[in-house]
Amino acid sequence: QKEVEQDPGPLSVPEGAIVSLNCTYSNSAFQYFMWYRQYSRKGPELLMYTYSSGNKEDGRFTAQVDKSSKYISLFIRDSQPSDSATYLCALRRSGAGSYQLTFGKGTKLSVIP
Amino acid sequence: EAGVAQSPRYKIIEKRQSVAFWCNPISGHATLYWYQQILGQGPKLLIQFQNNGVVDDSQLPKDRFSAERLKGVDSTLKIQPAKLEDSAVYLCASSFPTGTGSHEQYFGPGTRLTVT
Repeated sequence: QKEVEQDPGPLSVPEGAIVSLNCTYSNSAFQYFMWYRQYSRKGPELLMYTYSSGNKEDGRFTAQVDKSSKYISLFIRDSQPSDSATYLCALRRSGAGSYQLTFGKGTKLSVIP
Repeated sequence: EAGVAQSPRYKIIEKRQSVAFWCNPISGHATLYWYQQILGQGPKLLIQFQNNGVVDDSQLPKDRFSAERLKGVDSTLKIQPAKLEDSAVYLCASSFPTGTGSHEQYFGPGTRLTVT
């Protein structure tokens, strides 16, 4: 079993739809949870991070973490064509030393005008 | 604030040749990372530096890959000799400690390497 599982999609939605992106993980040592957006031929761009269970909202984006189920989600409200990109979940263990991020494979999202 | 800079952006080499990539992190970021992203996969950490010291290189193929960070700022990643399976995007990232300890990582645009 991979440490982080993410459905690669592709996912295609109409403009204005609510998008739900998800990852599951197997190691309870992960304590920091991040979502990155990656446009084609660009580096990943940090969208959201959280370190506790619950919801965190930032504009049209909401990150949700359920540590008991080892399940994280990113919701995008009122999706726009400019949201078309690959979304990567990234997890990090707590503690000092390595800050290695363990990434999911990424979900490719297309928002159709 | 300037982002993470990388060069070159693209490189095509033949197998068994050598190649080097350069990274300049965000000013003031003590921690620097090199990731390898194979097409269709998420990035995988190769090496992490704290200032000019190596913190984690457990996934670096040391028989062919090497990296250094002189003076704790810029870094270079080298592959010698390259193999076909090294074709990937090489991403550099940097981070700083926050109050929550999250060490948010900021990525550069990457260098796309094609080995033929």
